[in-house]
Amino acid sequence: ETGVTQSPTHLIKTRGQQVTLRCSSQSGHNTVSWYQQALGQGPQFIFQYYREEENGRGNFPPRFSGLQFPNYSSELNVNALELDDSALYLCASSLAAGPSTDTQYFGPGTRLTVL
Amino acid sequence: AQTVTQSQPEMSVQEAETVTLSCTYDTSESDYYLFWYKQPPSRQMILVIRQEAYKQQNATENRFSVNFQKAAKSFSLKISDSQLGDAAMYFCAYPYSGAGSYQLTFGKGTKLSVIP
Repeated sequence: ETGVTQSPTHLIKTRGQQVTLRCSSQSGHNTVSWYQQALGQGPQFIFQYYREEENGRGNFPPRFSGLQFPNYSSELNVNALELDDSALYLCASSLAAGPSTDTQYFGPGTRLTVL
Repeated sequence: AQTVTQSQPEMSVQEAETVTLSCTYDTSESDYYLFWYKQPPSRQMILVIRQEAYKQQNATENRFSVNFQKAAKSFSLKISDSQLGDAAMYFCAYPYSGAGSYQLTFGKGTKLSVIP
């Protein structure tokens, strides 16, 4: 059983640019959630995808968007980057979206720096 | 407000000793799970232990155990026989429901140092 992987590990962008972060979920997991973790803080929920459809969103603007593909991979896209978008971005996969009982397994994260 | 509170920003423990990390949360639900995650300097969030609210027995995973006080909405993590590899940030998390999904809400974390 493979774990959750993310790419790239680090990324440096300029304000106003667009970025795509990638995640490969654990095999068989239909749900992927994305979190933003600012330095010294706990992760904040961005959104969740279940079977390729958005299944819930946190308090993030529409310039944060995502995609989920049938092969258990997913993307987080951020347009018009702002300095405050600098953070660690984590994806987490889980078997199902419904029950609160389902455990989320995290990838190693992508560190995004916006200059 | 949906909040998870960790009141100890930093803790330290001597190697081989026991340490307890605190967490409180707010919910009106009666059936739910709670999680403790560990985040070492490598950044990967690792599940340490989870507790089912309807179970009266506290969860245990090797050296890690919880003290779950449902009425007090308290969920503390006890680490026994602390090891150098236990040094990390520890986050308590509750899966709040919102807009069709269950979103993990995390506390701000406790940084645990292990002293040799």
